[in-house]
Amino acid sequence: NAGVTQTPKFQVLKTGQSMTLQCAQDMNHNSMYWYRQDPGMGLRLIYYSASEGTTDKGEVPNGYNVSRLNKREFSLRLESAAPSQTSVYFCASGEVTPTDTQYFGPGTRLTVL
Amino acid sequence: QKEVEQNSGPLSVPEGAIASLNCTYSDRGSQSFFWYRQYSGKSPELIMSIYSNGDKEDGRFTAQLNKASQYVSLLIRDSQPSDSATYLCAVKSLLYSNSGYALNFGKGTSLLVTP
Repeated sequence: NAGVTQTPKFQVLKTGQSMTLQCAQDMNHNSMYWYRQDPGMGLRLIYYSASEGTTDKGEVPNGYNVSRLNKREFSLRLESAAPSQTSVYFCASGEVTPTDTQYFGPGTRLTVL
Repeated sequence: QKEVEQNSGPLSVPEGAIASLNCTYSDRGSQSFFWYRQYSGKSPELIMSIYSNGDKEDGRFTAQLNKASQYVSLLIRDSQPSDSATYLCAVKSLLYSNSGYALNFGKGTSLLVTP
């Protein structure tokens, strides 16, 4: 039982390049989330998927797209990376109920030069 | 904007002392509250959840909730150097699209336990 897994762990991009961050969970959760974490800013929600087949914007969606490939997998795409997207990206899974918690993957450390 | 506020610290306590971490939140409709611990370079790890007013104890950790004051706290008894980390307060809030709930995080309090 791996929980939430993310690939890659580290990535360096040049401005304008594109890439996709992959996330998978084996906890049979309906909902999945992408957060970014920046120094002094805390964790901010980029996009989420309440259930398979749905996606919606969070607090900071600009510059990103997502795909909920199936119940297990939720990917985050940067179409044209910018230095402002240098951050640590965390995927999480859980349920969109008022009480359930969320479980986090190990993170992807992205640097955009 | 639904706010979750924490003192950024660092909070420094000697080994064996009680560390007290505080959090306030703005969304009166929130029903669930969580404390995560995050070591440097690692992902957030859930340590406590609390849903009702009062205290909830788990080992050396006690979470306290006061919904009337919109206040959550975490007490760590017999603090150890291994407790040195950033502690994130998280509140489950209704998303703006009304499609469900997600965690809204404070910026975290850095705790340093000195031997």
